Amino acid sequence: DTEVTQTPKHLVMGMTNKKSLKCEQHMGHRAMYWYKQKAKKPPELMFVYSYEKLSINESVPSRFSPECPNSSLLNLHLHALQPEDSALYLCASSQLDGNQPQHFGDGTRLSIL
Amino acid sequence: DAKTTQPPSMDCAEGRAANLPCNHSTISGNEYVYWYRQIHSQGPQYIIHGLKNNETNEMASLIITEDRKSSTLILPHATLRDTAVYYCIVRSRVGNTPLVFGKGTRLSVIA
Repeated sequence: DTEVTQTPKHLVMGMTNKKSLKCEQHMGHRAMYWYKQKAKKPPELMFVYSYEKLSINESVPSRFSPECPNSSLLNLHLHALQPEDSALYLCASSQLDGNQPQHFGDGTRLSIL
Repeated sequence: DAKTTQPPSMDCAEGRAANLPCNHSTISGNEYVYWYRQIHSQGPQYIIHGLKNNETNEMASLIITEDRKSSTLILPHATLRDTAVYYCIVRSRVGNTPLVFGKGTRLSVIA
């Protein structure tokens, strides 16, 4: 069982749709992350939030729009995605301390038609 | 870019110890060695981390060489459920540095 909850687990959407991925944690962590993972590849960092503020954007296209409404929630808003954006999207959280591990959810598997 | 080098794949017989090596020759004194694993269709799972001393928990042991340029993750009695991709990651102890994943080692535990 994971302490980071991601919804939905699976999502199929068209290229013109708008959808959102959600992530929630109740461990009191003040850092939250989005990663993208293509099949048979390692996870790649997309965004980092620290104290609800965006601190790292790894040059992600604007069709991905993150939001951190409070310290427990992290959203990823999707619009006008391309088929190559089909992937597993992973959320993680941690304390603001390199001596504390990041905890991951089980991801949302996204398919773009 | 990942700062670690791992073999792409390894096999281990069920019940035997699995020893997974990792090279991190450019590691600095301010960086931890973290190990995660990812079982198919799940998110990465934290296993263990260390700075310079050997570490042990209920899942595994981490052996770090004295010069800190390499480490070994040991699963003492591998089971079929340990089949996964294992990632060795170097992470700064300063502030909030996110994990940067390399290609990892695909461990297959064989009955």
